Amino acid sequence: DTGVSQDPRHKITKRGQNVTFRCDPISEHNRLYWYRQTLGQGPEFLTYFQNEAQLEKSRLLSDRFSAERPKGSFSTLEIQRTEQGDSAMYLCASSLSNNQPQHFGDGTRLSIL
Amino acid sequence: AQSVTQLDSHVSVSEGTPVLLRCNYSSSYSPSLFWYVQHPNKGLQLLLKYTSAATLVKGINGFEAEFKKSETSFHLTKPSAHMSDAAEYFCAGGTDKLIFGTGTRLQVFP
Repeated sequence: DTGVSQDPRHKITKRGQNVTFRCDPISEHNRLYWYRQTLGQGPEFLTYFQNEAQLEKSRLLSDRFSAERPKGSFSTLEIQRTEQGDSAMYLCASSLSNNQPQHFGDGTRLSIL
Repeated sequence: AQSVTQLDSHVSVSEGTPVLLRCNYSSSYSPSLFWYVQHPNKGLQLLLKYTSAATLVKGINGFEAEFKKSETSFHLTKPSAHMSDAAEYFCAGGTDKLIFGTGTRLQVFP
């Protein structure tokens, strides 16, 4: 399967803990995107990378959130000191370049106890 | 500023009847527009994409959408619904980051 892969699929943690998610994009895709989706809503943009450069961050991405794509391949999204409001599905997508269709992974569902 | 509005939160149809899911957009420039489908606990699957080459866009699974600039609309249609079409559908626009509508849940009754 050469689609976008996300790990883990589900994460349950206690409030205040740190969590890290991983995304492996389609191999030749230069662009990598992170979105957050809460119940009954459409995905909301968080941040995106062109190769290893982080080009834009949403104001939704508070100081507790950090994303990296160190070698221009896989990416990680870390949330520090998790809060109840962080409970959501975190979706990763990749595309060949600007203005090309984004292909999504199956997401990581985060539940904060 | 760009925004996408899906006019119906729920649509119910009988199997074999036509499907219409409505999407309006606002943009200060010619947009790229997309329709995605999401099944429960899954990511989004691209149905089709509009990029100004043709106003009528054909997608996968028999879906198509028509871009109407005068109406700022990009409605999704399918001539005959199938039970497997039941899912959440999202309209989205953008060139880098995507702006999504709030989704339309399609129910298909036998």
